[in-house]
Amino acid sequence: DIQMTQSPSSLSASVGDRVTVTCRASQSITNYLHWYQQKPGKAPKLLISAASSLQSGVPSRFSGSGSGTDFALTISSLQPEDFATYYCLQSYITPFTFGPGTKVDIK
Amino acid sequence: QLQLQESGSRLVKPSQTLSLTCAVSGGSISSGLYSWSWVRQPPGKVLEWIGYFYSGTTYYTPSLKSRVTFSVDKSKNHFSLRLTSVTAADTAVYYCTRGDCTTGVCPLDYWGQGALVTVSS
Repeated sequence: DIQMTQSPSSLSASVGDRVTVTCRASQSITNYLHWYQQKPGKAPKLLISAASSLQSGVPSRFSGSGSGTDFALTISSLQPEDFATYYCLQSYITPFTFGPGTKVDIK
Repeated sequence: QLQLQESGSRLVKPSQTLSLTCAVSGGSISSGLYSWSWVRQPPGKVLEWIGYFYSGTTYYTPSLKSRVTFSVDKSKNHFSLRLTSVTAADTAVYYCTRGDCTTGVCPLDYWGQGALVTVSS
């Protein structure tokens, strides 16, 4: 199985901060990497697919980058509604695997 | 707008079988452009992909393969999950999802609201 790691596991930030979350795969997954936002009691929401494609309706302050084994999700200016847990998912090889998540909370 | 809705037993006794159904509206599960997956999340823990069916193929994650079965009813536009011999470790929120394979990378783009299934006597 491909192992996905994320860092940091949690971070505290203020509204307006620039935030970056990273995701690393145990082997190359080319661009088969997707980012999700999950709020308590809700289903994950797809933000970015194929490493860098912003989903329709997702604010442009979210961006994704990377390929191969190293990826990043950046929020350019953190907004109050962005406090949540962020997960990466690889769909390159079955079984698909998620990262352990990064919780972003208010400083 | 595509919608997915899980239904089924929310309380299951240990050693019994967990059964959930995902009703899909606003789109057809017969389309070969999409995959249909189950994902679970134990309370306070991370997401785990259980498996999918896609283009005539069904795949189960190895850790659950001996206990899980997917089925599809195209006439009702729904698909189902059965997990046998459950234990407390199977207590989780179970999500049904769609994978958009139109570009090949298959992100899970639509999710049901989730169904909390508790395994307890």
